[in-house]
Amino acid sequence: EIVLTQSPVTLSLSPGERATLYCRASQKISNMYLAWYQQKPGQAPRLLFYAASSRATDIPDRFRASGSGTDFALTISSLEPDDSAVFYCQQFGYSPYTFGQGTKLQIK
Amino acid sequence: EVHLVESGGVVVQPGGSLRLSCAGSGFTFGDYSMHWIRQVPGKGLEWVSGITWDSGHLDYADSVRGRFTISRDNTNNSLYLQMDSLRAEDAGFYYCAKDGLWWTWGQGTLVTVSS
Repeated sequence: EIVLTQSPVTLSLSPGERATLYCRASQKISNMYLAWYQQKPGQAPRLLFYAASSRATDIPDRFRASGSGTDFALTISSLEPDDSAVFYCQQFGYSPYTFGQGTKLQIK
Repeated sequence: EVHLVESGGVVVQPGGSLRLSCAGSGFTFGDYSMHWIRQVPGKGLEWVSGITWDSGHLDYADSVRGRFTISRDNTNNSLYLQMDSLRAEDAGFYYCAKDGLWWTWGQGTLVTVSS
């Protein structure tokens, strides 16, 4: 099983600041099968990026994703209050398909 | 637009059974593999099961193998999850998702396992 480890577990930043979230895989995965999601309380996860760095529909360009192999990152520039959420990475290249444990982003 | 609607989540006793359904629309249902993912409220996401477009390959997480059965009806654009021998740790939101270059998710249905 591929374990995805996200860091940090929590992140508290102010509006206008930049956030960088990390996702490390226990073994190499294809970029084609790495996705990022944002989840707010009471809502289903919302796709942010697929294929490691392809932005999903209606995702603002303040959000950027990158990485390859075992190390991936999600960057949010110029944070807004509405960005407060839990962010998950997912790999679906190898079964069992797995998710990171999540990073909780709090906007002060 | 792809639309997935889960249903069937109720309160069930430990050891009981339940069948979840997922209705798909806005895409050619029979062309895609489908999945179930679950989430304990306030906790992380866990992939539960997947099924290929033709039901030729069924896949399960170790935590549910032998107790849950995934199936589909392409004629009626529906995905199912038969859940037997339910345990307290099976409680949570269950989401269905359409496979592809990315996964598209429904809004989920809540399963409560309690006596």
